[in-house]
Amino acid sequence: AQSVAQPEDQVNVAEGNPLTVKCTYSVSGNPYLFWYVQYPNRGLQFLLKYITGDNLVKGSYGFEAEFNKSQTSFHLKKPSALVSDSALYFCAVRDAGSGNTGKLIFGQGTTLQVKP
Amino acid sequence: SAVISQKPSRDICQRGTSLTIQCQVDSQVTMMFWYRQQPGQSLTLIATANQGSEATYESGFVIDKFPISRPNLTFSTLTVSNMSPEDSSIYLCSVSRQAQDRETQYFGPGTRLLVL
Repeated sequence: AQSVAQPEDQVNVAEGNPLTVKCTYSVSGNPYLFWYVQYPNRGLQFLLKYITGDNLVKGSYGFEAEFNKSQTSFHLKKPSALVSDSALYFCAVRDAGSGNTGKLIFGQGTTLQVKP
Repeated sequence: SAVISQKPSRDICQRGTSLTIQCQVDSQVTMMFWYRQQPGQSLTLIATANQGSEATYESGFVIDKFPISRPNLTFSTLTVSNMSPEDSSIYLCSVSRQAQDRETQYFGPGTRLLVL
């Protein structure tokens, strides 16, 4: 069965410091991995994805994530956090072999709090 | 990415009533999905909306409770029937396209439902 774990309910960082939001996954085949962000009273916004190729993927708003197959991880990172990055972040996975079912499995979410 | 709108954006309903949520996309898409996000929780897939045929429901979700329509490639509705307070959630539709970006799901702004 597919699953996603985000071990931290909340991450606190100071503005200007680097940030990391952790995600580990479990799928039976090759993973498609995604990060989404949800601002208060808003829907989910797509940040970035890993499908294949380079393990380091870059996305919107200066975010990046590194796919690590041996550790089954896909941590979200940003070199310098902004107060406006404060939001709820979701990691999601899909089995590449799931064909057109398209089902995404989401982690529980991590609240990022960036303080001035 | 596609521009996705949902109506209504929020509603307060009485138990025992039904609410139909609309999802409209600005261009034709291959796949449309409906998710539920219960308070303080992650997202759970309710069903895949299939154009011209019955929706495909996930375990724990049934057509009598969540009837879904998808009359064309840009529009879908989700009805929450015979509501109870436990149905209070955010309901989100998502879409994915064909070709180069088919793995990515883009989400609408969500419908915030409170059942009294």
